[in-house]
Amino acid sequence: AQSVTQLGSHVSVSEGALVLLRCNYSSSVPPYLFWYVQYPNQGLQLLLKYTSAATLVKGINGFEAEFKKSETSFHLTKPSAHMSDAAEYFCAVSALLNYGGSQGNLIFGKGTKLSVKP
Amino acid sequence: DSGVTQTPKHLITATGQRVTLRCSPRSGDLSVYWYQQSLDQGLQFLIQYYNGEERAKGNILERFSAQQFPDLHSELNLSSLELGDSALYFCASSVGTSGGYTDTQYFGPGTRLTVL
Repeated sequence: AQSVTQLGSHVSVSEGALVLLRCNYSSSVPPYLFWYVQYPNQGLQLLLKYTSAATLVKGINGFEAEFKKSETSFHLTKPSAHMSDAAEYFCAVSALLNYGGSQGNLIFGKGTKLSVKP
Repeated sequence: DSGVTQTPKHLITATGQRVTLRCSPRSGDLSVYWYQQSLDQGLQFLIQYYNGEERAKGNILERFSAQQFPDLHSELNLSSLELGDSALYFCASSVGTSGGYTDTQYFGPGTRLTVL
């Protein structure tokens, strides 16, 4: 079965500093991976997704993530944090059927709350 | 705005009661997914419908049921409510069922259910 582990339930950075949110996945076949962001009292918004086209994926709001098969990782980064980046970030993997096809639903990690200090 | 609408935004009810949550997918999307977000369990997949048919089931309790209507809106019915059912319930929609390869799941703003 697939799973996602997000290291660190809370991450705090200073404005202008590098943002690094960690995600490791477990999957028996090449996965489809996603990062979503949830702002307070809002739904989830897709930041970016990996579907095997390129290992470095660029998303919205200056975020990017790199798929590393050898490390089973899909860490999210942003070179310079803004106050508006404060939110909760979720890494997710697409559920797979037994024969390797995709079931469609997402399996989410526990989330990482990002705080940005002025 | 994702284009996915959910009503109501907030719902407060008592234990033992039954409630219905409604979701309208984005125009053109045939798949609807329901997820539950709680502090202890995180984001959990409940159930998926595609073009009116149940497609996949996750950790959905027997007290919960869902359906998708011909106009593609979906309803999640929660009955015999318990305190532990208090959570944020999200609906998401996508064009098909490929799980993200060609689809993107767009999430609604959620319905916050409080069971007292």
